[in-house]
Parts: sequence; structure tokens; C-alpha cells
Amino acid sequence: GQSLEQPSEVTAVEGAIVQINCTYQTSGFYGLSWYQQHDGGAPTFLSYNALDGLEETGRFSSFLSRSDSYGYLLLQELQMKDSASYFCAVRDHRASDYKLSFGAGTTVTVRA
Amino acid sequence: NAGVTQTPKFRVLKTGQSMTLLCAQDMNHEYMYWYRQDPGMGLRLIHYSVGEGTTAKGEVPDGYNVSRLKKQNFLLGLESAAPSQTSVYFCASSGDRGLGANVLTFGAGSRLTVL
Repeated sequence: GQSLEQPSEVTAVEGAIVQINCTYQTSGFYGLSWYQQHDGGAPTFLSYNALDGLEETGRFSSFLSRSDSYGYLLLQELQMKDSASYFCAVRDHRASDYKLSFGAGTTVTVRA
Repeated sequence: NAGVTQTPKFRVLKTGQSMTLLCAQDMNHEYMYWYRQDPGMGLRLIHYSVGEGTTAKGEVPDGYNVSRLKKQNFLLGLESAAPSQTSVYFCASSGDRGLGANVLTFGAGSRLTVL
């Protein structure tokens, strides 16, 4: 099976940088992705890393190290609208098993 | 351009009642999923489907059944509801390969309370 660990809460001020770490254990790794969820609404896709390195999408970046089973999401120039829950997720690619499992989520609170 | 639509959005049941949650997607996605979300526990996979006519168990399948008779629809059934099934249920769909398989589109959620 899979397990993912990420911090439960992070608080920061507007304009700051926040890094959300995610460590995972899976028997057949097939990529790490990140999702954002506002106030219990529908989660939305942010980024995906299949290979080692940094992927940048505007103010958000995601990093993956497969050898360390570790990734992070970097939120730069924080804005109030970034207050949300952030989930890392891994897909286990074994035979026909294409389950996507999520971490418990990190609640980011942005203060003025 | 609806994406993923879940019905109903809210429902209150009494213990022992049955109900079905409907999920419909208009993106021609192969994969569909049902997750439940409880406070502090993230999204837990109940059942999923990799194509029309196929279903598979996720992490927490007990007490639920699913069917995928048509590619665009994925139904989640509770045969005898229990208070432990009080939760927010999310349906999602995705493509079946590469990046598309990792980009899930979620519905708005169905909030179920079992008394």
C-alpha cells in the first residue's frame, strides 16, 4: 500500500514563502501530485512531478526526489487567497492498480 | 462545460436507510473514483473504476457498493447507512495515461449525514 506524511498546519504572513513537505512510501511509484482545496470545496490540481527536480507554475513550484521518497510544494509571494488545504498524492503503478492516494493535507493560513 | 457533477449535494439519512450517490462526467474520462473526506484524514479512496463495466476496491470499501454501467456515470451505493458513514463524498475522474492519469477533476462534493 501507500502512505504519505505532510505537516498538518502552516501559518505565514502575506508575501512570505511557505514550503510544504511530503514524504511517501509506496511499492510502485508513478509520480507525485499536489492539490489545493478551499473551505471544503472541490480539490483542484496544482502540479505533478514524475521525475526528479523542480517544476514551476507561476508562484507555485513543486520538487521531487525519488531517491529520498520526498517532495515539496513551494508557495511564493503568499496571498490571502492561498489560505487553503494542500494535499500531496501518489499513484501506485503496479500491474492494473492505478489508485491515487492522498496525504492527510496541510492547512495553510495566511495572515495580513 | 460541466466537468464532474455530483447529486445530491446534501442528504440526511437515518441509520439503516439506503441511498445512491450519482456522479456524471462529460470529459470522456476512462477513470473514475469515489473518495470520502473526514476532518483531519484527507481524502480516502472508497472504490474506483478504470473503465466502463469495471470497478475495484480502494482503501475503505466496506459498507459501499459501486457500479459503472456507462462510461460517463459512476454510482456509489450505501445499502444500510451507519453513523460512521457521515462524511463528505467526492467523485473524481481522470484520463488513463501519463499526466492525464494524475490530473483528477473533482465534483463539488456530496455532504451526507447519517443519524
